[in-house]
Amino acid sequence: DGGITQSPKYLFRKEGQNVTLSCEQNLNHDAMYWYRQDPGQGLRLIYYSQIVNDFQKGDIAEGYSVSREKKESFPLTVTSAQKNPTAFYLCASSLRGNTIYFGEGSWLTVV
Amino acid sequence: GENVEQHPSTLSVQEGDSAVIKCTYSDSASNYFPWYKQELGKRPQLIIDIRSNVGEKKDQRIAVTLNKTAKHFSLHITETQPEDSAVYFCAAISDDKIIFGKGTRLHILP
Repeated sequence: DGGITQSPKYLFRKEGQNVTLSCEQNLNHDAMYWYRQDPGQGLRLIYYSQIVNDFQKGDIAEGYSVSREKKESFPLTVTSAQKNPTAFYLCASSLRGNTIYFGEGSWLTVV
Repeated sequence: GENVEQHPSTLSVQEGDSAVIKCTYSDSASNYFPWYKQELGKRPQLIIDIRSNVGEKKDQRIAVTLNKTAKHFSLHITETQPEDSAVYFCAAISDDKIIFGKGTRLHILP
């Protein structure tokens, strides 16, 4: 788990503002993921990428965007189109078909 | 679509008793089944896993069983302790998909 670094840990967003959450891994994993978790709820998949320069929408992709220009990096942008972004965001990575490891998470709050 | 059903959503057990959480999956291609523990405000962490060619695996007080025919797998925690209080997630993983259950909140009562 120590091989996945998310930043910042806490982030505040103003109305109409885009913000970007960083995720870097040094585990040499091909696949990377972003999940959203609301208080007391489960994990909902936002986007995932199985290879560099390719990514797929998950269950709740609207209002979010990602890029995968490097194997190690999978940043998530929360756009102003996401009307209720306050949540705990978890980045994860895995080798195909194997254990998924999570970063420590980022707390995003709208102010 | 493919899914994983996890039950119960909440479970309260007396300290020292056993706890069992069950998951059912639908994707026949799933061949790897990890369990995660998530404490409040923290990330989910792997506690035990099992592959489809194995029926049972044990690690101290924690065990996982798999019935591939019925597409069921279960987490068993024996001699529960206060630090076992957390949310537990199961997952069913194939080469192309990772599907999580919705989680079980386990309360250990004193």
